Amino acid sequence: AQSVAQPEDQVNVAEGNPLTVKCTYSVSGNPYLFWYVQYPNRGLQFLLKYITGDNLVKGSYGFEAEFNKSQTSFHLKKPSALVSDSALYFCAVKGNKLVFGAGTILRVKS
Amino acid sequence: DGGITQSPKYLFRKEGQNVTLSCEQNLNHDAMYWYRQDPGQGLRLIYYSQIVNDFQKGDIAEGYSVSREKKESFPLTVTSAQKNPTAFYLCASSAGNNQPQHFGDGTRLSIL
Repeated sequence: AQSVAQPEDQVNVAEGNPLTVKCTYSVSGNPYLFWYVQYPNRGLQFLLKYITGDNLVKGSYGFEAEFNKSQTSFHLKKPSALVSDSALYFCAVKGNKLVFGAGTILRVKS
Repeated sequence: DGGITQSPKYLFRKEGQNVTLSCEQNLNHDAMYWYRQDPGQGLRLIYYSQIVNDFQKGDIAEGYSVSREKKESFPLTVTSAQKNPTAFYLCASSAGNNQPQHFGDGTRLSIL
């Protein structure tokens, strides 16, 4: 069975600084990995996915994610955080179904 | 604009009452999903349907029922058997097995 761990409940970063939201996964076979963002009282919005190919995946709103097979990680990154990036972020892995992590709250302070 | 519409946005249930949450999509997606979101627990899969007139139980199907009579629609009924229904319910659809899921804006269900 597949699983996802997001080890940080919350990440705090100053506006303009780089941000990283961590994700590790466990799945049989090739991983299909996703990042989503959720704003209060809204549904999830798709940010980016890794299926195969380059280990650095670029997505929406300037976000990117680095796939590391040996560390079974798929960390979300952004070079310069915005206050408007403050939200709840979910990592997900697809095996026989899509499994979500518990989520990480990102707070960007001005 | 293509997307997923969930209604109502807020719903209140009385004891012993069944309630139905609506989910409609105009993305022409074959697959649709229902999730329950509780604080600090991420999303848990209730039911999913990969094609019209077919659906499967997810991880927490007890106390819920669904139907898939049309490609565009996947309503979820929260029955009186679901003893802890208070949650945020999210509907999603996808174009294929490994494609991203697109989500509606959810229905928040509370108990009166």
